[in-house]
Amino acid sequence: DQQVKQNSPSLSVQEGRISILNCDYTNSMFDYFLWYKKYPAEGPTFLISISSIKDKNEDGRFTVFLNKSAKHLSLHIVPSQPGDSAVYFCAASARNTGNQFYFGTGTSLTVIP
Amino acid sequence: DAGITQSPRHKVTETGTPVTLRCHQTENHRYMYWYRQDPGHGLRLIHYSYGVKDTDKGEVSDGYSVSRSKTEDFLLTLESATSSQTSVYFCAISEQWTSGGNIQYFGAGTRLSVL
Repeated sequence: DQQVKQNSPSLSVQEGRISILNCDYTNSMFDYFLWYKKYPAEGPTFLISISSIKDKNEDGRFTVFLNKSAKHLSLHIVPSQPGDSAVYFCAASARNTGNQFYFGTGTSLTVIP
Repeated sequence: DAGITQSPRHKVTETGTPVTLRCHQTENHRYMYWYRQDPGHGLRLIHYSYGVKDTDKGEVSDGYSVSRSKTEDFLLTLESATSSQTSVYFCAISEQWTSGGNIQYFGAGTRLSVL
């Protein structure tokens, strides 16, 4: 059973607007969450992370929000740029499986110039 | 890129043949992983290693074996390849992040086609 879910396979956004990518998880033991970005023919690259002791983490244009009660996290990209067009994966890990990550199925973001 | 090299980058093989994919890292990381990426499934863990000769299964380990005889190399073997193993395979290492959690860094991937 998929413990980390990304229910939107794709998303299109106009350049300059906000992109919001969503992720849900089922395992309440997860306490560390990450977002990865993947371009075609390349490996995923780490984007931003958040610990369960926080509800927000910001890095430049990227902000991750965590709602533990809803078991939901989201990635906000503001403003969106054409170079942000990629597949985004969310991932989660738990302290007792600290080195095992569980990945969502990915959301393909297209930023339209 | 955390010094991860995967080889080969592309391979076409026939059903029933053995295939070995190699992951090489240069930074002495303890943890190494093999994932496969398929449409609609995201990244799924095949096997991982937590040290030389120490390995464990992931969620999709059937039909795959691994070996780690030295820290820098983690090999993934398909003993008898099947068409369902056509996929993109990624190797990863794990590194502790400043926030206290771990980050995985990925290689560029190996695209395997089993005909």
